[in-house]
Amino acid sequence: GAGVSQSPRYKVAKRGQDVALRCDPISGHVSLFWYQQALGQGPEFLTYFQNEAQLDKSGLPSDRFFAERPEGSVSTLKIQRTQQEDSAVYLCASSLGSLDINPDTQYFGPGTRLTVL
Amino acid sequence: AQKITQTQPGMFVQEKEAVTLDCTYDTSDPSYGLFWYKQPSSGEMIFLIYQGSYDQQNATEGRYSLNFQKARKSANLVISASQLGDSAMYFCAMREFASKIIFGSGTRLSIRP
Repeated sequence: GAGVSQSPRYKVAKRGQDVALRCDPISGHVSLFWYQQALGQGPEFLTYFQNEAQLDKSGLPSDRFFAERPEGSVSTLKIQRTQQEDSAVYLCASSLGSLDINPDTQYFGPGTRLTVL
Repeated sequence: AQKITQTQPGMFVQEKEAVTLDCTYDTSDPSYGLFWYKQPSSGEMIFLIYQGSYDQQNATEGRYSLNFQKARKSANLVISASQLGDSAMYFCAMREFASKIIFGSGTRLSIRP
């Protein structure tokens, strides 16, 4: 596809529900990133994949957050037992190379706005 | 640890004027990259411009230029001849070698007709 796509664009969940957010990166991009963006703030790094390998998950806020990219393309971010503080926009980005390449610009999807009631 | 600071929460500029968005950073890594992204109300982050720490010249991309002052650790974005469509949030970001990107808190730019 032409760019990074994410689905759903909007998700409303009741507190305690599990949610799954999908990211389709640009075809051929090796690296994939997930970010969390609270209202009025810059994106905060959650996790990073190089192909199917999750190389950095240091930004995941709790063990309720889980991400996977089993075939090295599409990725899913899963949040279990959602809490109100999980309400945010979740952005996915992909880049052609790997982290040791500069600039290796990241291209972002439109995000999924999650609201937990 | 790497850090990005944007001190201007919001700015108003008259259409066709030039505008400078401030960004300072802190890092102990000699190899790093600096990015500017634009985020319109639609929410998508749009890549604007990149500057590498070893680049000798300031980066330029159309109406965007990056005023890179390495000794002062600043990487200000300059938009020449602003347009109404430039109204958006602007984020400065930095990545150390083989590390993740960190973003500043952003500046909301509003262009007045």
